[in-house]
Amino acid sequence: DAGVIQSPRHEVTEMGQEVTLRCKPISGHNSLFWYRQTMMRGLELLIYFNNNVPIDDSGMPEDRFSAKMPNASFSTLKIQPSEPRDSAVYFCASRPWAGGNGYGYTFGSGTRLTVV
Amino acid sequence: TQLLEQSPQFLSIQEGENLTVYCNSSSVFSSLQWYRQEPGEGPVLLVTVVTGGEVKKLKRLTFQFGDARKDSSLHITAAQPGDTGLYLCAGAWGNKLVFGAGTILRVKS
Repeated sequence: DAGVIQSPRHEVTEMGQEVTLRCKPISGHNSLFWYRQTMMRGLELLIYFNNNVPIDDSGMPEDRFSAKMPNASFSTLKIQPSEPRDSAVYFCASRPWAGGNGYGYTFGSGTRLTVV
Repeated sequence: TQLLEQSPQFLSIQEGENLTVYCNSSSVFSSLQWYRQEPGEGPVLLVTVVTGGEVKKLKRLTFQFGDARKDSSLHITAAQPGDTGLYLCAGAWGNKLVFGAGTILRVKS
């Protein structure tokens, strides 16, 4: 099992540019989560999907952020336009959807985003 | 304000010492998980506790879930340099996980 795969690992972009982060969850996992991690705020949930459907996007900071999950094996998080305060490590995680809370999340290795 | 408060924030100890990390909340969680994160990587699940009062052991690590399911602790016996990392507790909130700020542990040889 290759685990949760994120790309790119590192992204440096200029303020105002569009950034797209990609995630491939573990096959068979029905729930997918996007988190952002910073020193100041720790791990924050941005949005999560069940069976490719967005369920809760209350953590998405602004309209500049959008996420899609066109199929069970792929999701994107887009920031347009990017700002320096978006600099953080963005994690994707997946888990089986069993209707309960006994299953842990499997995280990807993250994308370190730097907006200059 | 963090829903889950972890303490201490930082811990630097010598190899062989014991330590305990605490995770507290005023909210009740259906389950609580502990993760360990190393630099440049995502968090890795260590354990899930579901039942109030539950105790789970993973080699030198002992995890306990409070009777009221509002708090948890992680105890490490005879810490090793390989235990160094960021330890995160996370409470299940519906289908979401809410994370504490973490405890940075450094074990010196």
